[in-house]
Amino acid sequence: DGGITQSPKYLFRKEGQNVTLSCEQNLNHDAMYWYRQDPGQGLRLIYYSQIVNDFQKGDIAEGYSVSREKKESFPLTVTSAQKNPTAFYLCASVPGGPMSTGELFFGEGSRLTVL
Amino acid sequence: GESVGLHLPTLSVQEGDNSIINCAYSNSASDYFIWYKQESGKGPQFIIDIRSNMDKRQGQRVTALLNKTVKHLSLQIAATQPGDSAVYFCAGAGTGRRALTFGSGTRLQVQP
Repeated sequence: DGGITQSPKYLFRKEGQNVTLSCEQNLNHDAMYWYRQDPGQGLRLIYYSQIVNDFQKGDIAEGYSVSREKKESFPLTVTSAQKNPTAFYLCASVPGGPMSTGELFFGEGSRLTVL
Repeated sequence: GESVGLHLPTLSVQEGDNSIINCAYSNSASDYFIWYKQESGKGPQFIIDIRSNMDKRQGQRVTALLNKTVKHLSLQIAATQPGDSAVYFCAGAGTGRRALTFGSGTRLQVQP
């Protein structure tokens, strides 16, 4: 079945460690996104990529990094520079061309807890 | 930039009643809006979208309304069911920004 797969679903990390969250889609979508969600709040955009080998910062990119080497994959690295990394991270993709802002298809999320 | 927000953090309704969830946005250049439903611990799911050239869009049991004059969105759910209990987000996008901006969400609680 087509969809977006995020892994791991739950992740614990010690302060000062980098961690990479995986996002893979087999929907053949060009654009992919990473959002962060904190309890009782909406989704905030971290990074997005409209096309392979290109990505743009969102509203809260500091302390995060991404890569887009393949159309199917958009991994997010939470670095030690991110001051408050404990959150629920959501990856999404959208069909259409590079400038599409249509319906986002979301993964099931990755919950990161920093101990 | 775009700012999208929701009016009430929580809405409680009786099963079978109609629900109305409201949302406001700040950027008059916003031209596309989506409503999402999010159940606990899961990713958001698409409910309905509406573009700025529309005032109303009808779904199966949901209706999206857009009032561009006051920059206000509504999601109406007819005959609300227990399975509708979730957090509902509105999200918007405008020209020059190719990513959705989300509001803070309204938690809908359906009482049996």
